[in-house]
Amino acid sequence: RKEVEQDPGPFNVPEGATVAFNCTYSNSASQSFFWYRQDCRKEPKLLMSVYSSGNEDGRFTAQLNRASQYISLLIRDSKLSDSATYLCVVNSPRGRALTFGSGTRLQVQP
Amino acid sequence: NAGVTQTPKFQVLKTGQSMTLQCAQDMNHNSMYWYRQDPGMGLRLIYYSASEGTTDKGEVPNGYNVSRLNKREFSLRLESAAPSQTSVYFCASLQNEQYFGPGTRLTVT
Repeated sequence: RKEVEQDPGPFNVPEGATVAFNCTYSNSASQSFFWYRQDCRKEPKLLMSVYSSGNEDGRFTAQLNRASQYISLLIRDSKLSDSATYLCVVNSPRGRALTFGSGTRLQVQP
Repeated sequence: NAGVTQTPKFQVLKTGQSMTLQCAQDMNHNSMYWYRQDPGMGLRLIYYSASEGTTDKGEVPNGYNVSRLNKREFSLRLESAAPSQTSVYFCASLQNEQYFGPGTRLTVT
């Protein structure tokens, strides 16, 4: 079983739609959680950290469910510029590096 | 402040050739990392360095060596390239969040 699993998509949604991505992680000892965004042929960039209480940044809301080992990202009022691959990222207690999911591709259409 | 820089951006090698991928960061971060990214696989950790003078294996270290030359620089060496090492390689450094370089696209024929 992969340490971090995501639905690869693609999710094709119209502009203005609300879309949600889910991610599960296998190691219950994981402590830090993030969503990264990766544009085509570019490096990943931090979108937001995920806190136990849930957190919001503009149109983006991230939630963490430790009991179910589940992280989510909600994007409201999708824009064309949101088209990208979204990577779920979990810290690895084995070492000091982060473990990346394989990503969920989002395509927002006009 | 350039962040994390990588050279080269693109490289084509023949099987058996060697090369070194260079990475440097100017953010004074202690931790640096090398990942590879293959289609449908996400980023997989090759090696990392928690501080100057230390290196540790990641998930897929076979066929690679690294050197943490100083706090700024962390290089990745392929001694005898194989087609299975065709990939995009990202260097990163970490301080609260992980910052990535622009990547090196390597093809081994």
